[in-house]
Amino acid sequence: TQLLEQSPQFLSIQEGENLTVYCNSSSVFSSLQWYRQEPGEGPVLLVTVVTGGEVKKLKRLTFQFGDARKDSSLHITAAQPGDTGLYLCAGVGGSNYKLTFGKGTLLTVNP
Amino acid sequence: EAQVTQNPRYLITVTGKKLTVTCSQNMNHEYMSWYRQDPGLGLRQIYYSMNVEVTDKGDVPEGYKVSRKEKRNFPLILESPSPNQTSLYFCASTPGQGMRGQFFGPGTRLTVL
Repeated sequence: TQLLEQSPQFLSIQEGENLTVYCNSSSVFSSLQWYRQEPGEGPVLLVTVVTGGEVKKLKRLTFQFGDARKDSSLHITAAQPGDTGLYLCAGVGGSNYKLTFGKGTLLTVNP
Repeated sequence: EAQVTQNPRYLITVTGKKLTVTCSQNMNHEYMSWYRQDPGLGLRQIYYSMNVEVTDKGDVPEGYKVSRKEKRNFPLILESPSPNQTSLYFCASTPGQGMRGQFFGPGTRLTVL
């Protein structure tokens, strides 16, 4: 069974601060996806990383896939209240391309 | 508009009363799946389908059934719901085999009394 550990589980910061969320596993994934979920809604895909060592930027969000394709990080620069939400990482692996989710990081950005 | 739709959005039912949650996507995606989301447990896959007439169990399939007779539809069936199936359910679809990320529906909040 492939497991993804996300940390921290909860994060409360002030507007303008930087933060990093981590997603770690002992398993190798074909690709790793990051989603953001708001209360009462379905997760929305932010990015997919496929190549070991890959870095992708989405405005103030920077996503990195580990060289060994076992871990990933999400860094937010100058967080804003609109960044508040549940951030989920998910890895694709196995012969059936199964998607395994981490339990999420609940981010609150205070004005 | 490209989307995944689920119905109903909210459902309160009683133990043992069969129910179906519908899921439909208009993006011609091959891969569809069902998840349940519970506090402290995260999103767990119930069933998935890699194409029409091809379905397989996910991590928590007990008490659920699915079918994939058409590419766009992937209903979730609870033959005899129990209180431990009270949860938030999401349907998702993706092109190909899921490498590029999934599109999620808005969710169905189910309460079984």
